[in-house]
Amino acid sequence: AQSVTQLDSHVSVSEGTPVLLRCNYSSSYSPSLFWYVQHPNKGLQLLLKYTSAATLVKGINGFEAEFKKSETSFHLTKPSAHMSDAAEYFCVVSDSPGGSYIPTFGRGTSLIVHP
Amino acid sequence: NAGVTQTPKFRILKIGQSMTLQCAQDMNHNYMYWYRQDPGMGLKLIYYSVGAGITDKGEVPNGYNVSRSTTEDFPLRLELAAPSQTSVYFCASSYAQRGPQETQYFGPGTRLLVL
Repeated sequence: AQSVTQLDSHVSVSEGTPVLLRCNYSSSYSPSLFWYVQHPNKGLQLLLKYTSAATLVKGINGFEAEFKKSETSFHLTKPSAHMSDAAEYFCVVSDSPGGSYIPTFGRGTSLIVHP
Repeated sequence: NAGVTQTPKFRILKIGQSMTLQCAQDMNHNYMYWYRQDPGMGLKLIYYSVGAGITDKGEVPNGYNVSRSTTEDFPLRLELAAPSQTSVYFCASSYAQRGPQETQYFGPGTRLLVL
């Protein structure tokens, strides 16, 4: 069975400082991993995804994530936060037992950016 | 391309009333999903469909029904609304033929309040 844990429900940073949003996963197969972003009162949008190619994945708006199999982690980072990064972020795992591609979502991390 | 569209945006229901949340996609995606989002709980899968005429239960199906008569449409039916169904509902779609790495595309959501 697959599962995902986002280790922080809220992360607060100052504008211009680095961002780290932590995600650990569990999967019995070779999973695909995703980060989605949700701005207030909006739907979810893909930030980046890992699909067993390069372990360092670059996404939109300067975000990147590194797949670490030994640590079962897929943490999201950004070197310098911008006010527009304030949003809810979801880590998602998807594997394919029996060919059913149903993702599992983490509970979300709310990123707060202070001026 | 309109992507994934949902109607209505917002609705207030009285306990015991019924309603249908509409979802349509124009990307010829085979997989479609319904989620509900409650504060601090991430997204919970209600139902999903792997193609026209095929649906299956997700994590929280009680109180809901779905049908998928066409590739484009995936309506969600609430038969007897209860206060516990107050939530934000998201529809999503993906083209999941090659594996679990496919991106999900989300609609803007329907906010439902049951009083």
